[in-house]
Amino acid sequence: GEKVEQHESTLSVREGDSAVINCTYTDTASSYFPWYKQEAGKGLHFVIDIRSNVDRKQSQRLIVLLDKKAKRFSLHITATQPEDSAIYFCAASPRNAGAKLTFGGGTRLTVRP
Amino acid sequence: EAAVTQSPRNKVAVTGGKVTLSCNQTNNHNNMYWYRQDTGHGLRLIHYSYGAGSTEKGDIPDGYKASRPSQENFSLILELATPSQTSVYFCASGDAVGGLAEQFFGPGTRLTVL
Repeated sequence: GEKVEQHESTLSVREGDSAVINCTYTDTASSYFPWYKQEAGKGLHFVIDIRSNVDRKQSQRLIVLLDKKAKRFSLHITATQPEDSAIYFCAASPRNAGAKLTFGGGTRLTVRP
Repeated sequence: EAAVTQSPRNKVAVTGGKVTLSCNQTNNHNNMYWYRQDTGHGLRLIHYSYGAGSTEKGDIPDGYKASRPSQENFSLILELATPSQTSVYFCASGDAVGGLAEQFFGPGTRLTVL
């Protein structure tokens, strides 16, 4: 089955700098790649996604890049703010997988003042 | 706003005891999911459901059962709890509309098995 690896378990950046979180996946059939954010003591909530028919998507300060050849995707958070501090999870879903997601291990992002 | 609630929020159980975790969603989503979250493992899928009466095994189903008696409710059952099942459990709901598989998560249940 699909395996998703999240390369950075922790990441610390200065406020205003950019943060980049990288993930790789194994199943070439995967076609949907969402990102979730988990704040302390809470459940996950969706932040942005990308599908395999595009290689870049932006939503305000969030940019997702997808490299299908390398089976790699990344989340870029620009102009980071203290409220961006959280755990971020990448996930992948193969086409026709019944909307099942396979998650990476999570990256704890800390934005320093 | 999508709403997924879980009960209890915290639970302490004894080894060998039965534990039932409950989840309710008001999103009218067909799909519901149970995950556990452990440090270093991210979220791992235990069971999921496509609708009332259906349950499917996820990636780590051993030691767990699931029940979906209605569109709104999805339960996770540990018949004989073990300390290795100490974890934080999340329920989620979602629908694969147009290929999109966004899931909406509950706040989690922290389970400790002594």
